[in-house]
Amino acid sequence: QVQLVESGGGLVTPGGSLRLSCATSGFNFFVQYMSWIRQTPSKGLEWISFISGNGDIIYYGDSVKGRFTISRDSAKKSLYLQMNSLRAEDTAVYYCATLHYGGLNYWGQGILVTVSS
Amino acid sequence: DIQMTQSPSTLSASVGDRVTITCRASQNINGWLAWYQQKPGNAPKLLIYMTSTLQNGVPSRFISSGSGTEFALTISSLQPDDFATYYCQQFNHYSLTFGGGTKVEIK
Repeated sequence: QVQLVESGGGLVTPGGSLRLSCATSGFNFFVQYMSWIRQTPSKGLEWISFISGNGDIIYYGDSVKGRFTISRDSAKKSLYLQMNSLRAEDTAVYYCATLHYGGLNYWGQGILVTVSS
Repeated sequence: DIQMTQSPSTLSASVGDRVTITCRASQNINGWLAWYQQKPGNAPKLLIYMTSTLQNGVPSRFISSGSGTEFALTISSLQPDDFATYYCQQFNHYSLTFGGGTKVEIK
């Protein structure tokens, strides 16, 4: 069955960096568009980025453009999110998900990132 | 950016009720509309994509319709498992945006 497992979250100070990973199994990772989404109680669900199956198409939401970088490793069937210049407002639960006809059909369990001094 | 406005933000209903949640986009999204259900502590679960296509395994009591900028999710007969928060989401111009959510609670 399809599985997505995020890792790499935790506490980081403002201005710091963190790299999230999403290990996948149970589907053809090589052709699957993938996405990162985050959620907070105050701002709700916010799309961060998506990447095409071969990595040649990448888009970001305005709030993370220039600070976050999405990437993927087909050999490891893994998705990544490099987060730099982190701010308090980046504090959220981060999810990876598969993108299918404009909808996010499989999600990981989520991982908490806290940006605080 | 396309904004998505859901209403109501909270809905109180009883088992067996027919309930409808609406979602309005700030511009035409050409049918690229999805609906999700989320329960506390869990990731959102895709119910419907492309306005009206039911995701595998989702019960047929979930019905969605709409076009242009106006969309609606109807639960034809509310079941105990359906008390949750529901979100709409659009996909256009290489970006995704979610609505603010509708919490369906027990009356």
